[in-house]
Amino acid sequence: ELKVEQNPLFLSMQEGKNYTIYCNYSTTSDRLYWYRQDPGKSLESLFVLLSNGAVKQEGRLMASLDTKARLSTLHITAAVHDLSATYFCAGDTQGGSEKLVFGKGTKLTVNP
Amino acid sequence: SAVISQKPSRDICQRGTSLTIQCQVDSQVTMMFWYRQQPGQSLTLIATANQGSEATYESGFVIDKFPISRPNLTFSTLTVSNLSPEDSSIYLCSVEQGEETQYFGPGTRLLVL
Repeated sequence: ELKVEQNPLFLSMQEGKNYTIYCNYSTTSDRLYWYRQDPGKSLESLFVLLSNGAVKQEGRLMASLDTKARLSTLHITAAVHDLSATYFCAGDTQGGSEKLVFGKGTKLTVNP
Repeated sequence: SAVISQKPSRDICQRGTSLTIQCQVDSQVTMMFWYRQQPGQSLTLIATANQGSEATYESGFVIDKFPISRPNLTFSTLTVSNLSPEDSSIYLCSVEQGEETQYFGPGTRLLVL
């Protein structure tokens, strides 16, 4: 059974700083997803990582995947207040079922 | 990318009643998924809905409590039956398209009194 663990669960950082959110998963996952959720809103897709060594970047966010270590990271560069949100990673169970198992989320607060 | 709408966006219900949530997608999809997000928590998959077959429920979720319909390739409903305060959550439907990510609807915020 796939289990997904994120850390940290809460992250408070200063604007302009860099930080990394970690996502470990317990068994092989076909894909690794990162989502953003603002308070009272639905989930916004950020990245989907398909293969070992995959790296994707969008603005100040960069996601990577190491399937051997069963680890994905979401790196934040020079944080700005607008990045304040909850970030979820999710893996999908193998066999093409497309069912997602989510981590508990990382609540990020970027302070001026 | 898929555009997903849900109705209602929010509701307040009395315990013992039921609420039916509708999910509409702007394109045909094979599988639709229903998730629950309890207050301050992560998302948990309730069931997978395939058109033309019975929904597949995850451990801890049963058809009597969460009946699902999937009458065509663009629409699904989730009913939350015999409501209790513990059912107060956000309910989201989602779909996946090919190699793209899984898209989520805006969610239905349910409060049970």
